[in-house]
Amino acid sequence: SYVLTQPPSVSVAPGQTARITCGGNNIGSKSVHWYQQKPGQAPVLAVYDDSDRPSGIPERFSGSNSGNTATLTITRVEAGDEADYYCQVWDTSSDHPVFGGGTKLTVL
Amino acid sequence: EVQLVQSGAEVKKPGESLKISCKGSGYSFTSYWIGWVRQMPGKGLEWMGIIYPGNSDTRYSPSFQGQVTISADKSINTAYLQWSSLKASDTAMYYCARRLLQGVFYFDYWGQGTLVTVSS
Repeated sequence: SYVLTQPPSVSVAPGQTARITCGGNNIGSKSVHWYQQKPGQAPVLAVYDDSDRPSGIPERFSGSNSGNTATLTITRVEAGDEADYYCQVWDTSSDHPVFGGGTKLTVL
Repeated sequence: EVQLVQSGAEVKKPGESLKISCKGSGYSFTSYWIGWVRQMPGKGLEWMGIIYPGNSDTRYSPSFQGQVTISADKSINTAYLQWSSLKASDTAMYYCARRLLQGVFYFDYWGQGTLVTVSS
């Protein structure tokens, strides 16, 4: 089955740019979606279809996808962005969603 | 306002049965799939299965096939996740989430989660 690989943790100072990667075989041919999960809360859709943002998600959140790596970029990071972030694709061969293992973003 | 409201936390003993629920409101319930996702303590998201309430078409992750049953009652806009015999390893937070019927492959709204604790 399809596997998505994320770094366990990323740390960034406030005001800087955080980049969280999601690796998968030829992931650039798939649509990648990102969820933000703050401590004690349910996941929230942050980016869908590689780079689109749902209403209510700040413009500071953006995504890209090419080759074997998709990236969630958060500019001007704030303390409130501290959360776990999960990437997700739909594995069309099995008709199932696949989640990455998650990345904990720490704001220093 | 779109909402998925899940039933409350449960504490059960091993071997007991359990059925938790997810009630949708603020949208056409039969225009979306409802998926279930497990999150074990301190761990990531695991997809369990998905149901289309319009005709109860249900798909399971191979990891959960035979371990749980997903169902829905479209007359009351509610989806369910049930166990016939709980194990301690079923202790986790369970989320429901909706996915548009066609052409969309992400979950745009999530329930608040139901914490299930299985302990003797």
